[in-house]
Amino acid sequence: DAKTTQPPSMDCAEGRAANLPCNHSTISGNEYVYWYRQIHSQGPQYIIHGLKNNETNEMASLIITEDRKSSTLILPHATLRDTAVYYCIVREDFGNEKLTFGTGTRLTIIP
Amino acid sequence: NAGVTQTPKFQVLKTGQSMTLQCAQDMNHNSMYWYRQDPGMGLRLIYYSASEGTTDKGEVPNGYNVSRLNKREFSLRLESAAPSQTSVYFCASSGDRTRSSYNSPLHFGNGTRLTVT
Repeated sequence: DAKTTQPPSMDCAEGRAANLPCNHSTISGNEYVYWYRQIHSQGPQYIIHGLKNNETNEMASLIITEDRKSSTLILPHATLRDTAVYYCIVREDFGNEKLTFGTGTRLTIIP
Repeated sequence: NAGVTQTPKFQVLKTGQSMTLQCAQDMNHNSMYWYRQDPGMGLRLIYYSASEGTTDKGEVPNGYNVSRLNKREFSLRLESAAPSQTSVYFCASSGDRTRSSYNSPLHFGNGTRLTVT
């Protein structure tokens, strides 16, 4: 299964765009990239996912490089409530339900 | 629509005691999961159930058993609790992962905080 690498922590000023990188150089052709976040001690919350095209929803945008070896989650106008740990995950092949969460990136939004 | 509900929210056990963590989802999802999260670490998969009637081991299954009681409910049992099982336990569910709907996000409960003394 493909693994992901994320920086352990990042800061971003309130109101600015937060760009969170993720490396998944061993991703295979039919694996999706998922992003979740975990605010304080709550359960992880789904943000967005994609295969090869860039995706946008009401929460964020996901930019996936053409070779699919890395991606960036963009929170366009970060607020204090976006302070959380962000997990980048690659979903394993069809038929295999295992999902591996790494240690993620702790994003701190600074007032 | 409650989503994924876990009970209890908090529990303290003595070493050797047993207990069952309950999880229920109301989204008609086929797949359900149990994860544990230790301080400063990511989530590690304990067991999962791809569909009603099936269960499979995840990354850290030792010391645990699971039961997929029906489509809605997936319980996690600690037969003889150990201090190493002190953790926060999260249950999750996801919809069908057929070839046409490959991309079904996980929905998580808010966790059970377990302390074993």
